[in-house]
Amino acid sequence: NAGVTQTPKFQVLKTGQSMTLQCAQDMNHNSMYWYRQDPGMGLRLIYYSASEGTTDKGEVPNGYNVSRLNKREFSLRLESAAPSQTSVYFCASSTDRGEKLFFGSGTQLSVL
Amino acid sequence: GESVGLHLPTLSVQEGDNSIINCAYSNSASDYFIWYKQESGKGPQFIIDIRSNMDKRQGQRVTVLLNKTVKHLSLQIAATQPGDSAVYFCAALYDKVIFGPGTSLSVIP
Repeated sequence: NAGVTQTPKFQVLKTGQSMTLQCAQDMNHNSMYWYRQDPGMGLRLIYYSASEGTTDKGEVPNGYNVSRLNKREFSLRLESAAPSQTSVYFCASSTDRGEKLFFGSGTQLSVL
Repeated sequence: GESVGLHLPTLSVQEGDNSIINCAYSNSASDYFIWYKQESGKGPQFIIDIRSNMDKRQGQRVTVLLNKTVKHLSLQIAATQPGDSAVYFCAALYDKVIFGPGTSLSVIP
């Protein structure tokens, strides 16, 4: 039982490059989330998926897209990376909306 | 709008003492509050939660207190240990979960 698995753990991009962050959970959770964490700002919600087939914007969605591929997988895509997207990204899942989130170990992304 | 904040960004306590980490929230519309612990290099980990129909909830060495009148909650850690050194986040559930900026707890041996 791995919980929430994120890949990759580290990534360096040049401005304008694109990439997809992958996330999978094996707890049969309905809801999945993508957060970014910046120093002194806590965790900010980028996008979430309350259930398979639905996605909604969070606090900071600009520059990102998401796909809820199936119940297990929720990916985050940066179409044209910008230095402002340098951050640590966390995927999380929960049984119900917002309750008791289980987090992955994070992806440290640097955009040069 | 909704915001969640903490009173102190850092806190140092002596090993064995009790720790109290405070949090304030702006909007009384939330009925569910959560505390998370984040160790260096790891994702946040659930510690304890409380619903708005409760004032207090206890776990193993941790207690969460909720004061709805002043929109304040606190996390108390009894007999603080070196393994408790981490960043602690409070969060509130509105239409989505809003996190506070975190308090870094350092335990002095």
